[in-house]
Amino acid sequence: AQSVTQLDSQVPVFEEAPVELRCNYSSSVSVYLFWYVQYPNQGLQLLLKYLSGSTLVKGINGFEAEFNKSQTSFHLRKPSVHISDTAEYFCAVTKTNTGNQFYFGTGTSLTVIP
Amino acid sequence: EAGVAQSPRYKIIEKRQSVAFWCNPISGHATLYWYQQILGQGPKLLIQFQNNGVVDDSQLPKDRFSAERLKGVDSTLKIQPAKLEDSAVYLCASSEIRSLRAYTFGSGTRLTVV
Repeated sequence: AQSVTQLDSQVPVFEEAPVELRCNYSSSVSVYLFWYVQYPNQGLQLLLKYLSGSTLVKGINGFEAEFNKSQTSFHLRKPSVHISDTAEYFCAVTKTNTGNQFYFGTGTSLTVIP
Repeated sequence: EAGVAQSPRYKIIEKRQSVAFWCNPISGHATLYWYQQILGQGPKLLIQFQNNGVVDDSQLPKDRFSAERLKGVDSTLKIQPAKLEDSAVYLCASSEIRSLRAYTFGSGTRLTVV
């Protein structure tokens, strides 16, 4: 079975400071990894994904994430956050061989403080 | 390109009443998913369709939830009778067959059961 753990439920950070949102996963099979952002009363928007190749993945809005297979982690980073980055962030995995069902973490609420 | 359309955006019902949600996926997407997102949690898959057939409904509470995709395009998710714990956002997503490209979520329907 697949599971995703987001270690921080809430992350406050000052504007223009760097941020890291942590994600660890467990799986008995190979997985693809994703980060989604959800703004209030909106659906999920894809930030970035790791399918194969370079373990450093760059996404939209200046976010990036690094896949670490040995540590089963896929942490999300941004060097300088903006007020507009305030949102809920979800890490998700899906098996590489079937289904395309997503398994989501419980989310991290990022609050950017002016 | 039009996104995944869902309606209604909001619904408030009393417990034991019935409710239905509608989803129209992106044109040409054969796979359609319904997710349930309870407040404070990540989305959880309820049911997955490929064309008009069910691929996975193992997490659908079949005593009260039902879903159909009769013509392989739009889909309806129904709850009858509703319970307080069904209060959640119901997200629809669609994708191409066996492809994670263009996997897109709708904005969701927020259900409140009182």
